Amino acid sequence: AQKVTQAQTEISVVEKEDVTLDCVYETRDTTYYLFWYKQPPSGELVFLIRRNSFDEQNEISGRYSWNFQKSTSSFNFTITASQVVDSAVYFCALSEASFGNEKLTFGTGTRLTIIP
Amino acid sequence: GAVVSQHPSWVICKSGTSVKIECRSLDFQATTMFWYRQFPKQSLMLMATSNEGSKATYEQGVEKDKFLINHASLTLSTLTVTSAHPEDSSFYICSASSPFTRLDTSYEQYFGPGTRLTVT
Repeated sequence: AQKVTQAQTEISVVEKEDVTLDCVYETRDTTYYLFWYKQPPSGELVFLIRRNSFDEQNEISGRYSWNFQKSTSSFNFTITASQVVDSAVYFCALSEASFGNEKLTFGTGTRLTIIP
Repeated sequence: GAVVSQHPSWVICKSGTSVKIECRSLDFQATTMFWYRQFPKQSLMLMATSNEGSKATYEQGVEKDKFLINHASLTLSTLTVTSAHPEDSSFYICSASSPFTRLDTSYEQYFGPGTRLTVT
């Protein structure tokens, strides 16, 4: 069975600080996808990134960066120079990579509050 | 591209009545749609997976007779909460996927904005 663990329930940082959100996953599949989503107070899920299990390169997108380490089954997300607009709940998720089995297993989410 | 809509965005109903929530893929054909449920301050839990033209596959613990799912076309799936009770109050989110999107987005789910159901 697949499992995603986000041990940090809530994090508060002062604006402009860097913050890392942790994600640890479990799966028996050799091919899978990992995702990060942002859920602002409006409730709509905002897709941030998808990573294939064969692609362990770290990725940077503006102030966002992701560190995928297969050896530790982790897919951590870092926001640099945080801004108030980054305040939201962030979910890490995992899916199989076969057609018809793309259902997502979500972590419990990390509520991030950026203090102005 | 890859926009998914939900209707209504919020609904209040009385206990015992049925409520239908629609999920539409606006600019692509969704062969698979997923329905999730999210209680306040909790994670999203998958309720069921539906493929166009076939019966939905429900997750363990989800009552199929209570949460009726119909995926009648490649652009529309509906979730009907029958005989709703206050404990069914939740945020319902659908998502859609297709193997016919761009190769770099295959297996990606596109989420609707969610429907907030309140049963009084």
